Amino acid sequence: SFDLTQPPSVSVSPGQTASITCSGDKLGNKYACWYLQKPGQSPVLLIYQDKKRPSGIPERFSGSNSGNTATLTISGTQAMDEADYFCQACDSSSVVFGGGTKLTVL
Amino acid sequence: EVQVVDSGGGLVQPGGSLRLSCAASGFTFSGYWMSWVRRAPGKGLEWVANINQDEGEKYYADSVKGRFTISRDNAKNSLYLSMNSLRADDTGVYFCARGPTYYDILTASYYFDSWGQGTLVTVSS
Repeated sequence: SFDLTQPPSVSVSPGQTASITCSGDKLGNKYACWYLQKPGQSPVLLIYQDKKRPSGIPERFSGSNSGNTATLTISGTQAMDEADYFCQACDSSSVVFGGGTKLTVL
Repeated sequence: EVQVVDSGGGLVQPGGSLRLSCAASGFTFSGYWMSWVRRAPGKGLEWVANINQDEGEKYYADSVKGRFTISRDNAKNSLYLSMNSLRADDTGVYFCARGPTYYDILTASYYFDSWGQGTLVTVSS
């Protein structure tokens, strides 16, 4: 089966850049997307088709995907960005999520 | 404004059944793939099922195949998830989510751009 691996946690200081990785076999040959979810809230789509941002998503969120790794980059991280982040891709007719990364803004 | 509103969750005994509903508004419901995604307590997001616009294609996670059925009623702008033989590990918040207007296995671009607020399913005796 196709698996996506994320680091369980990432810490960043306010104003700095945070990078969250998502690894999977030949992931660069697939489309990756990213969501954030805050406690008690629904997930929000941040990035789709590797690097596209839906309307309303701040420019400080960006994505890339190459080789076996997709990366979500948050520039100028703010306290409000503290959340769980999930990558997602498709394999055959299945949708696969990464295990999630808890971003802490210290 | 695009809206999807989940409902139908509750407490059910192991082996029992439940039917979730999702009411959509603010977009042409019949033009989109639709899906269910869940999140168990202390765990991450897990995809459950997808359905295409005319119900001609339905896909399920291995963990629910044969027990859950996804369906839709385009006339009522509604999505459903019938869940049978429920187990304790089916416990979690279930989200209705809008998929893309087009999907094929070759392109493999499927993402969820609008989500319901979630409905809690608890399987316990």
